[in-house]
Amino acid sequence: DVKVTQSSRYLVKRTGEKVFLECVQDMDHENMFWYRQDPGLGLRLIYFSYDVKMKEKGDIPEGYSVSREKKERFSLILESASTNQTSMYLCASSTVGSSGTQETQYFGPGTRLLVL
Amino acid sequence: GQNIDQPTEMTATEGAIVQINCTYQTSGFNGLFWYQQHAGEAPTFLSYNVLDGLEEKGRFSSFLSRSKGYSYLLLKELQMKDSASYLCAVRGHKFSGGYNKLIFGAGTRLAVHP
Repeated sequence: DVKVTQSSRYLVKRTGEKVFLECVQDMDHENMFWYRQDPGLGLRLIYFSYDVKMKEKGDIPEGYSVSREKKERFSLILESASTNQTSMYLCASSTVGSSGTQETQYFGPGTRLLVL
Repeated sequence: GQNIDQPTEMTATEGAIVQINCTYQTSGFNGLFWYQQHAGEAPTFLSYNVLDGLEEKGRFSSFLSRSKGYSYLLLKELQMKDSASYLCAVRGHKFSGGYNKLIFGAGTRLAVHP
């Protein structure tokens, strides 16, 4: 079974703090993703990485950065947390294949971040 | 623009059948996924359609019509544990890295009652 783990389930931070969210997958997947999930808006892609040190901006990258130094680990960084970044953050990973189901994304349990 | 629409909430009775619809307008289409998400948990993969027609998997089936930009998830013999959100997601245009972007709908919250 694919396992995607995230460093924290719940996190409380203050405005202006630097926040690190870590994600680790154990299936040697090439692709890793960071989403945020807000009521009524669904999952929105923040950043995507298709290889070590490679990244692509998603739909809402402003205020976030990412780091992928090792294949299994993908970090999301909030340089200066703001209250509008209070959300559920979900990490996902997928392999690369020629058929659609090979690119199924597997999600971690999520980190619920509250910025005060 | 890119848009995926699903009903916000549905209710159904244990043992019944429920159909959750999803309509989409996206730039590019390379398949449609359905995920299940229980409250406070990660989304888990349910089904994938890339060709028109019905894919059956036990109590769950998923249908796709590409010409109509339409899919549905059919849940039979509903159980209480099926109470969850169901997310429709379309694989659209490619990123420069070769990967097709996944666009999610807001999800349908299904409540199953005894």
